[in-house]
Amino acid sequence: EAQVTQNPRYLITVTGKKLTVTCSQNMNHEYMSWYRQDPGLGLRQIYYSMNVEVTDKGDVPEGYKVSRKEKRNFPLILESPSPNQTSLYFCASSSSYGTGELFFGEGSRLTVL
Amino acid sequence: RKEVEQDPGPFNVPEGATVAFNCTYSNSASQSFFWYRQDCRKEPKLLMSVYSSGNEDGRFTAQLNRASQYISLLIRDSKLSDSATYLCVVNMMDSSYKLIFGSGTRLLVRP
Repeated sequence: EAQVTQNPRYLITVTGKKLTVTCSQNMNHEYMSWYRQDPGLGLRQIYYSMNVEVTDKGDVPEGYKVSRKEKRNFPLILESPSPNQTSLYFCASSSSYGTGELFFGEGSRLTVL
Repeated sequence: RKEVEQDPGPFNVPEGATVAFNCTYSNSASQSFFWYRQDCRKEPKLLMSVYSSGNEDGRFTAQLNRASQYISLLIRDSKLSDSATYLCVVNMMDSSYKLIFGSGTRLLVRP
């Protein structure tokens, strides 16, 4: 089954404790992206990757890091989480960015205390 | 001004009603347009692409008005299962490779 898998789905952590949210897709998609969704603000892009070893900042990259060492994986790293990073995070992938369908993972709900 | 704006709703309609949402975008260079559907606490899923000539898929019709810079989504014969948030998505197809999401319009279909 074609899918984008994120882990963890739910996480409560404390300020400053480094965490990684993993994202993996099995569709051989070149494009992958991370979004955060907050009430009233919609989905905002954090980082995106056009291919292996190619990443770029989205609209709200501050406080986040990413890497793309393999085509299927695109982890999101919060080096020192803060309460304003409490949000619902989505990973997504696409075979043809801009014209094709964007497939989303089920989301990771993160709370930073 | 937001790049993509939607009326947040909620639109509360009875089953069988016809309902329409609009979405305005600020950048006239925008090239690709989409409607995504998002159920509560779930991931967004593509509902339909919006072409210059319009696009119809069953009870759903999407249209693009470039002159006025908005896209629309029309749902005919609403079903209870249509209750969801509908996200308007715009892509400029420039070097930024950014998809801009609207905040969504919430639809509630009542029995």
